[in-house]
Amino acid sequence: KAGVTQTPRYLIKTRGQQVTLSCSPISGHRSVSWYQQTPGQGLQFLFEYFSETQRNKGNFPGRFSGRQFSNSRSEMNVSTLELGDSALYLCASSSGTGRTDTQYFGPGTRLTVL
Amino acid sequence: AQTVTQSQPEMSVQEAETVTLSCTYDTSENNYYLFWYKQPPSRQMILVIRQEAYKQQNATENRFSVNFQKAAKSFSLKISDSQLGDTAMYFCAFMIETSGSRLTFGEGTQLTVNP
Repeated sequence: KAGVTQTPRYLIKTRGQQVTLSCSPISGHRSVSWYQQTPGQGLQFLFEYFSETQRNKGNFPGRFSGRQFSNSRSEMNVSTLELGDSALYLCASSSGTGRTDTQYFGPGTRLTVL
Repeated sequence: AQTVTQSQPEMSVQEAETVTLSCTYDTSENNYYLFWYKQPPSRQMILVIRQEAYKQQNATENRFSVNFQKAAKSFSLKISDSQLGDTAMYFCAFMIETSGSRLTFGEGTQLTVNP
């Protein structure tokens, strides 16, 4: 099976812009979670989508949003970018059939905000 | 709130030797799951091992094993016969049953395997 894929792998944006990141889960997986990784804050949970519904949310401002499509692919959007949004954004997929399924991660999208 | 602490920011080991990475966690929940992930320089997060809190037997995966001490809330990772490819950042992570797929990560331990 193909693994989790994320596009694009690298992005450079300027403050105030918005950005959309994409994640395609492992075939058959219905849950997609997003994490932000920074040197200062480490790995932090953003949100989880299952069957096109957000079922879990971390402590991030409303500028961070996401959605999931019927094929389980997910997108994450960040509006009004700030310098502090520079990070590696990881998505992870799991089957979603159990609440504590093991998550498998994609390679990440490196976002740089100038 | 759940917390995960990895007290060793950096460790090094000689090739073929054994190394143990420490992790402690704090929770009032009874049903939870613990994980070790590795993140090599490629930044790809790779699952190393998983432990269910209700299982008393320690999980093992080839050269990787854990020492799970539930009462002490400790979850250490032992790597035997270390290989150069084991060089990576290792993250301990925690998931409670009622939080769905939300992983809480520790700060990470950078492991370097020296030839």
